[in-house]
Amino acid sequence: GNSVTQMEGPVTLSEEAFLTINCTYTATGYPSLFWYVQYPGEGLQLLLKATKADDKGSNKGFEATYRKETTSFHLEKGSVQVSDSAVYFCALSERTSYDKVIFGPGTSLSVIP
Amino acid sequence: DTAVSQTPKYLVTQMGNDKSIKCEQNLGHDTMYWYKQDSKKFLKIMFSYNNKELIINETVPNRFSPKSPDKAHLNLHINSLELGDSAVYFCASSQALVLNTEAFFGQGTRLTVV
Repeated sequence: GNSVTQMEGPVTLSEEAFLTINCTYTATGYPSLFWYVQYPGEGLQLLLKATKADDKGSNKGFEATYRKETTSFHLEKGSVQVSDSAVYFCALSERTSYDKVIFGPGTSLSVIP
Repeated sequence: DTAVSQTPKYLVTQMGNDKSIKCEQNLGHDTMYWYKQDSKKFLKIMFSYNNKELIINETVPNRFSPKSPDKAHLNLHINSLELGDSAVYFCASSQALVLNTEAFFGQGTRLTVV
């Protein structure tokens, strides 16, 4: 079945460091891909998305490019801030007769001043 | 206005009890979900309903029974609670059959079984 794999955390970075969180997926069709973020004590919220190959999603300085050839959707940010500390989930949405959003295991990010 | 709201936010109860968690969405979405997040933050889908019909049931014990009185509500009832049921439960919704489907989440219900 479809699945999402993420790099294991936790990840600890200093403020202004470069961030990459790897995500790869397995899907039989052409899913939409997402990054969700969960701040401490809160629910998940959408960070960015891409719906077809070579699309780039971006938001709040984060970017991810839908790479069909490598089945990847890596999350990057050039300069992280303390406020970026959260758990990041890569996800895909199957395009079937109904919706099903499948999440990766999550990667915890801590940014220290 | 809160798009997806679930109550209660915290629930502490004893083993063997029966409890319910309520969820409502005001986004006009057709599809609603329940996810369980364990202590390691892993999210696992439990159920999905589309227009009040059960679509996904992911090998969840039958002590868990979702109920959807209308497409804006999806409640979760749990019978005979066990210690292993302790987790954060998230309700979510999305618009079915739309290309850029994303899920909107509630704030979560932290269930602690003692």
